[in-house]
Amino acid sequence: GAGVSQSPRYKVTKRGQDVALRCDPISGHVSLYWYRQALGQGPEFLTYFNYEAQQDKSGLPNDRFSAERPEGSISTLTIQRTEQRDSAMYRCASSSPLERPNTGELFFGEGSRLTVL
Amino acid sequence: GENVEQHPSTLSVQEGDSAVIKCTYSDSASNYFPWYKQELGKRPQLIIDIRSNVGEKKDQRIAVTLNKTAKHFSLHITETQPEDSAVYFCAASGSTGSARQLTFGSGTQLTVLP
Repeated sequence: GAGVSQSPRYKVTKRGQDVALRCDPISGHVSLYWYRQALGQGPEFLTYFNYEAQQDKSGLPNDRFSAERPEGSISTLTIQRTEQRDSAMYRCASSSPLERPNTGELFFGEGSRLTVL
Repeated sequence: GENVEQHPSTLSVQEGDSAVIKCTYSDSASNYFPWYKQELGKRPQLIIDIRSNVGEKKDQRIAVTLNKTAKHFSLHITETQPEDSAVYFCAASGSTGSARQLTFGSGTQLTVLP
């Protein structure tokens, strides 16, 4: 697609429910990142993939958070047993087009705003 | 891990004046320093970046300077315009893990007064 697409744009859930957030990166981008952005703060790194391989998950807050990118394109961030503190904007970004690897620029999606009641 | 401090948190300038935002980083091995602009309700977008092998980079009205010794870098916007009003984030790439695992600053809300 033309840009990074995320869904849902808004998700309201009750505490204890599981949520899945989807990211469709720019076609041909090798790397896919998940960030979390609290209101008034900068994006906070969660995890990233090169192709289908999860390269770094050091930013995932705890084992309730997981991510996958099984075919090296679309990715899903899953939060199990959600808690109120999980409420935030979750942003996906992609980078590194195949023809120009390691260019550095992150292309962010519009984000998925999660509210846990 | 990397730690990025950004100042000021808010900045108001008159249209036509210059604006300067400063960041410091902790990891001396960091080698990539981008700046992102985020307009209200929009996604962050890259406006300029600098790598550790240069000390300054310019793109029209914006410039970034890097002092590796002091571990700080700055964004300079000249001849500010109302459309420059946004939140600006600096970032630095850490030396551990992925080359592009960016640590962002907390942001500067720039308001350009007409």
